[in-house]
Amino acid sequence: ETGVTQSPTHLIKTRGQQVTLRCSSQSGHNTVSWYQQALGQGPQFIFQYYREEENGRGNFPPRFSGLQFPNYSSELNVNALELDDSALYLCASSPLSTSNYGYTFGSGTRLTVV
Amino acid sequence: DQQVKQNSPSLSVQEGRISILNCDYTNSMFDYFLWYKKYPAEGPTFLISISSIKDKNEDGRFTVFLNKSAKHLSLHIVPSQPGDSAVYFCAASASPGKLIFGQGTTLQVKP
Repeated sequence: ETGVTQSPTHLIKTRGQQVTLRCSSQSGHNTVSWYQQALGQGPQFIFQYYREEENGRGNFPPRFSGLQFPNYSSELNVNALELDDSALYLCASSPLSTSNYGYTFGSGTRLTVV
Repeated sequence: DQQVKQNSPSLSVQEGRISILNCDYTNSMFDYFLWYKKYPAEGPTFLISISSIKDKNEDGRFTVFLNKSAKHLSLHIVPSQPGDSAVYFCAASASPGKLIFGQGTTLQVKP
């Protein structure tokens, strides 16, 4: 059983650019959530996807968007990057959209915006 | 508006002693609470959880206590081991899959 894998592990982008981060869910997991963890802070919920539909969103602007594919892998897209978007982006998957049981995190993508 | 707070940024304990990590929350709609452990360059790893209908849950060396009236939960690690040194996050949920995290507490267990 593979865990949650994220790519790339590190990324440097210029302010104003767009970025796509990728996540492969753990086998058997159909729900994926994305979090942003700024330095020295706890992870902040961005949004959740279930069966390819957005199923809940945190306090993030529309330039943060996502996709979930039929194989339950997922992408996080951020447009018009700002310096404050520099953070660790974490993906988490779970087998059920109705439970926090089995919620598993990936190792994250470290995004630096310069 | 910080709904989940861990007021101690760091904690240092001696190997073999008890580690107590604390967490406070403000939202009475939270019905599920979790503790995660995080090493550098890794994602958070689930440790233990508790439903709001319980006041204690135990798993080996780890015990979580929930005091709903005080909106407070704590994680006890007994006995503490050097391998427990990490950042610990408490998280709360009112909706499955949407976790609200505290800022984290860095635990150092000295040999």
